[in-house]
Amino acid sequence: GQQLNQSPQSMFIQEGEDVSMNCTSSSIFNTWLWYKQDPGEGPVLLIALYKAGELTSNGRLTAQFGITRKDSFLNISASIPSDVGIYFCAGGAQKLVFGQGTRLTINP
Amino acid sequence: EAQVTQNPRYLITVTGKKLTVTCSQNMNHEYMSWYRQDPGLGLRQIYYSMNVEVTDKGDVPEGYKVSRKEKRNFPLILESPSPNQTSLYFCASSLEGVGSPLHFGNGTRLTVT
Repeated sequence: GQQLNQSPQSMFIQEGEDVSMNCTSSSIFNTWLWYKQDPGEGPVLLIALYKAGELTSNGRLTAQFGITRKDSFLNISASIPSDVGIYFCAGGAQKLVFGQGTRLTINP
Repeated sequence: EAQVTQNPRYLITVTGKKLTVTCSQNMNHEYMSWYRQDPGLGLRQIYYSMNVEVTDKGDVPEGYKVSRKEKRNFPLILESPSPNQTSLYFCASSLEGVGSPLHFGNGTRLTVT
């Protein structure tokens, strides 16, 4: 079946640093979604991408839908403590497939 | 407030004792789905429903049942829970399915001893 490889699995950074994570697949997707999960809560949608090559920002977050439709990245600029959490990518075609998540830890 | 509500948030039970986790959404969404989240495995889909009375298996349906008698409700049923079903469960809904972003509930942490 369709699978997504999300990397890195975890990140330990200093407050103020920029963050970059990505998802790749051997399958083509029509939709890429990025979610964030805070401890004890469900994932919350950050950015939705619907077109190959699309670059979308949401505050300090920027995500792109890869030209090949097989990958996507998420960047966070100038990280702050509330950015801590687990970030998931999800690719949509016949169904929605989730990456394994990137756990972000920030040292103040 | 638009939301997906799951109950209970925490549940500890014993092997073989039937249980139901409820899920309700107030957004008039067509599509609803159940996921389980396990360390290192991300979110895996158990069952989904495109509309009332229409349900389909996801990637890990064994040991689970669902029903969609009303648009707003999508309960998850474990007829005979086993320890390997100990997990964090999420219900989610979206307007139209794969092309629409999912809205998640806050999760149900299930422990089967």
